[in-house]
Formats: sequence, structure tokens, C-alpha cells
Amino acid sequence: KAGVTQTPRYLIKTRGQQVTLSCSPISGHRSVSWYQQTPGQGLQFLFEYFSETQRNKGNFPGRFSGRQFSNSRSEMNVSTLELGDSALYLCASSYLGVNTEAFFGQGTRLTVV
Amino acid sequence: DQQVKQNSPSLSVQEGRISILNCDYTNSMFDYFLWYKKYPAEGPTFLISISSIKDKNEDGRFTVFLNKSAKHLSLHIVPSQPGDSAVYFCAASFQGAQKLVFGQGTRLTINP
Repeated sequence: KAGVTQTPRYLIKTRGQQVTLSCSPISGHRSVSWYQQTPGQGLQFLFEYFSETQRNKGNFPGRFSGRQFSNSRSEMNVSTLELGDSALYLCASSYLGVNTEAFFGQGTRLTVV
Repeated sequence: DQQVKQNSPSLSVQEGRISILNCDYTNSMFDYFLWYKKYPAEGPTFLISISSIKDKNEDGRFTVFLNKSAKHLSLHIVPSQPGDSAVYFCAASFQGAQKLVFGQGTRLTINP
């Protein structure tokens, strides 16, 4: 069965621009979570969606937003990009979200210049 | 406030021996724990998980032990293989949180 697919794999953007990242979860999984990985902060939770509803949000500014579609695919958007937004963005899918195994995609490497 | 801690940034083990990776947590509400293996610029790969109602879970060469009273879990890899060289993260969650809290990771190097 296909794994979690994230597109694009790499992205270079300029400060002030906005970006949209996409995640297709494992078939049948209804929960999609997003994480940011940076060398200084490690893996930090951004938000989680289940059946198109955001159930939890991490401690990130409002420039970070997301949504989930009826087919469980999810997108995250970052507006007014800052240099500090350069990171590996990871998407994880799980069947129920709470206390079940979560499987990650390959990630999108975002570089802001 | 780091709720999940991996105090050893790195660990070096001889091929064929046992690798033991440790993780401590502070939030007593955590009731589900996972271990992931990660290579640079890739997503974490799920290895094994354990619910707080258990104290041990095995899957092939991987065994996770949970000591709730000490708020400590460990991952044992036996025997260690060169392909096990990677960064290992432990993560924790609890009912209603809908998120994983990760440790900072331990870099495991298996020497031939």
C-alpha cells in the first residue's frame, strides 16, 4: 500500500512570499498532522486534522495555516515567509490520530532566501 | 519545557551487540509512546510503539520497555546491524492531545 506522499520535495522561496505544501495520507487514514523540523528546535507540532476539522494546533504564529479535504489530503500554507521558516516540513498520517501509529512522509525541504 | 528528553545525543555500538536507547518523560498524562528512526532529509520511519497498559513490546530485533513509575522508556536493538545507523527519536502522546511530542534524538552509529 502506498505511503504518505508529500509534494514538492524541495522548495526555495523569497522572504515575504507565501507557500503551499501538500500531503496525501495513506489510504484509509483520516488523521493528518504536520510537523516542522529545524536543527535548533527539533520536531515541533504544527497542527492536526481529522475529517476536515482541525483538532489541535501547536504554538506557531497565525501565518501557518492548514486544511484538509474530504479525501483526507491536506495542505499547509505559510504566508509572509521569514528566513526562520526554513525547515523540513513533515506530514504524518494515522488511522485515528489519537494513540495510534503515525507514519511520516519524506518531507518538504523549504528554504527561504 | 521539554516534556520528552533523550539525554544521550549520540551512541556508538559494535555490530552484533545490543544497542540501548533511552528516553525520559515528565508529563504523567502520556499514555502512548513511539520510536522512530530517521535519516537526514527524510521523514521518520516508524519502528515500534507501546501503550501505557503494557511494560514491554517486541517486534523482531526491536523491543521497547516502559517503566511508568520512573517515566522512562528504552529501545533495545539486538543484534545491531550497520543499517541501524541513524538518528532515533522517541515520541509520546495522550488521549485528546492529537499530537506527538518528540525528544531531541540520539544518533546511533554501528561500527563494523
